[in-house]
Amino acid sequence: GAGVSQSPSNKVTEKGKDVELRCDPISGHTALYWYRQSLGQGLEFLIYFQGNSAPDKSGLPSDRFSAERTGGSVSTLTIQRTQQEDSAVYLCASSPTGGGWDGYTFGSGTRLTVV
Amino acid sequence: GQQLNQSPQSMFIQEGEDVSMNCTSSSIFNTWLWYKQDPGEGPVLLIALYKAGELTSNGRLTAQFGITRKDSFLNISASIPSDVGIYFCAGQLNAGNNRKLIWGLGTSLAVNP
Repeated sequence: GAGVSQSPSNKVTEKGKDVELRCDPISGHTALYWYRQSLGQGLEFLIYFQGNSAPDKSGLPSDRFSAERTGGSVSTLTIQRTQQEDSAVYLCASSPTGGGWDGYTFGSGTRLTVV
Repeated sequence: GQQLNQSPQSMFIQEGEDVSMNCTSSSIFNTWLWYKQDPGEGPVLLIALYKAGELTSNGRLTAQFGITRKDSFLNISASIPSDVGIYFCAGQLNAGNNRKLIWGLGTSLAVNP
């Protein structure tokens, strides 16, 4: 597609439920990043994919968080047993390997609210 | 997690005024970036800086990569109402394919027409 697409745009879930957030990167972009943005905060790195592998998972806050990427394209971020502190906007970015930073493109995010 | 120190936290200015914001870090960065984020959208790149001392302009925006590689500033000249938004600095610690970014907390800019 023309840009990075994230779905859903908004998600309200009950505490303790599992949620899946989806990211469709720009076609041909080999690198994919997940960030979390809490209210009034900057972005917090979660995980980086190069192709289907995740060489850097250092930002995942707990073992309730996991992510996968299949076919070098779509990625899913899963949060199990959601807690209220998981409420945030989850942003995905994709990038070609190499090249300028103008190719590093963000989606509009998924706003997650845990009630 | 690691964050950059960005200031000021917010600014309220009159249309036509100039704006300056900056970021500092205790770590040396390989690349400094400045982004703007509008409500409900992801950040959009304004300026990328790659070398210590580099001064780069993009229209009314000017940014510099500090000589120590631990700071950067962004200036906006002759502000207009559409400049309203949140501005973020971000830095890449290491060169290479992993473009993990460390972010400031943002500067919220309001412009009074």
